Amino acid sequence: QSALTQPASVSGSLGQSITISCTGTSSDVGRYKLVSWYQHHPGKAPKLIIYEVIKRPSGVSNRFSGSKSGNTASLTISGLQAEDETDYYCSSYTTSSTLLFGGGTKLSVL
Amino acid sequence: EVQLLESGGGLVQPGGSLRLSCVASGFTFGSYAINWVRQAPGKGLEWVSGISSSGDSTYYADSVKGRFTISRDNSKNTLYLQMNSLRVEDTAAYYCAMGSDNSWVVLTDWGLGTLVTVSS
Repeated sequence: QSALTQPASVSGSLGQSITISCTGTSSDVGRYKLVSWYQHHPGKAPKLIIYEVIKRPSGVSNRFSGSKSGNTASLTISGLQAEDETDYYCSSYTTSSTLLFGGGTKLSVL
Repeated sequence: EVQLLESGGGLVQPGGSLRLSCVASGFTFGSYAINWVRQAPGKGLEWVSGISSSGDSTYYADSVKGRFTISRDNSKNTLYLQMNSLRVEDTAAYYCAMGSDNSWVVLTDWGLGTLVTVSS
């Protein structure tokens, strides 16, 4: 099964907003509300920042928000900060009872 | 505080075997599903396998099905991944990641990983 499709990189200026897309199919992203987003600083443990499309775990900044339309989910980060510069991954449950990750997006904060 | 500590990684030849362990603390291990996720050098995250809280249900990515076996010992708060018939493309950092209260596919806490290198 192919990975979910994310842009390889996105960039934004301090204080601005960016959106990262995550495109799947009707067998994964489009079928379930089980899309999550993870932030991963290299050398550290990945961190859950969005789950079930729109929910934020306790302690995660409200600058992070999620949405979904059809087969595409999106992560929006508002008020960009320097510490947001790192890698982001989406994931989705699938009809094959597996978990599928996106290829990852490297965020650069200018 | 949830802690997940992976071990057992190392250098192995193609076709060889390795068993990874993940020792958990800070939560009731036997109440949560848990997964293995890997990241090859310079690549993205790839889900490998998951197991229910009781161990009765297991799930595998197609890329490892038939070669890897996930198991757990709730009395020891430990998750395992038995990896057989290893291939060069299995080279990666392997992370254990616990599921949420309601879903095994929402990975709330992760370890720091253990590195597996498959090379001759």
